[in-house]
Amino acid sequence: DIQMTQSPSSLSASVGDRVTITCRASQGFNNYLAWYQQKPGKVPNLLIYSASTLQSGVPSRFSGSGSGTDFTLTISSLQPEDVGTYYCQKYYEAPKTFGQGTKVEIK
Amino acid sequence: EVQLVESGGGLVQPGGSLRLSCTTSGFTFSTYDMNWVRQAPGRGLEWLSFITKSSNTIYYADSIKGRFTTSRDNARNSLYLQMNSLRAEDTAAYYCVRDRAGGAFDYWGQGTLVTVSS
Repeated sequence: DIQMTQSPSSLSASVGDRVTITCRASQGFNNYLAWYQQKPGKVPNLLIYSASTLQSGVPSRFSGSGSGTDFTLTISSLQPEDVGTYYCQKYYEAPKTFGQGTKVEIK
Repeated sequence: EVQLVESGGGLVQPGGSLRLSCTTSGFTFSTYDMNWVRQAPGRGLEWLSFITKSSNTIYYADSIKGRFTTSRDNARNSLYLQMNSLRAEDTAAYYCVRDRAGGAFDYWGQGTLVTVSS
């Protein structure tokens, strides 16, 4: 099974900073890669699918890129409401594995 | 408005059973694949199971294979998770999740909490 590893596990950045989260797969696969945001006490919310397609209603400061084994989620200008934990997921075939999460805080 | 509402969680002893239900509305349930995902307290997301629209294909995570069974009733717009031989490590919030066309998870229920403890 393909394992998904995110880095860093946590980060603290200032409002307005550019933030990058990486997701690495243990073996390459097609670009059926999603990113989710989970705010404290809330259910996860789909941000990006197909590695780079923004889900409807998601702010344009979020973007995704990558292919093969290495994928990236970028927040171009961190906002206070972006605090939470971010997860990547490979979803095309079972098991639809999530990464372990990256906790984002405001400095 | 798309809604997914889980029910059936609670406190159960190790070795016991529970049946979770997910009642949906606001979309044509029979045209969507569905999933179960869980999250242990303070931990990350764990995908558990996937079921196709017509129930002809069902997948399970290794952690629950042989103990949990996913099913659906399209006439009742409902998804189910039968959980047997429960263990302490099954303690988690269990989410019912819709598979958007193409496979990412676009709608999540609010979750139902399962606690396995003596």
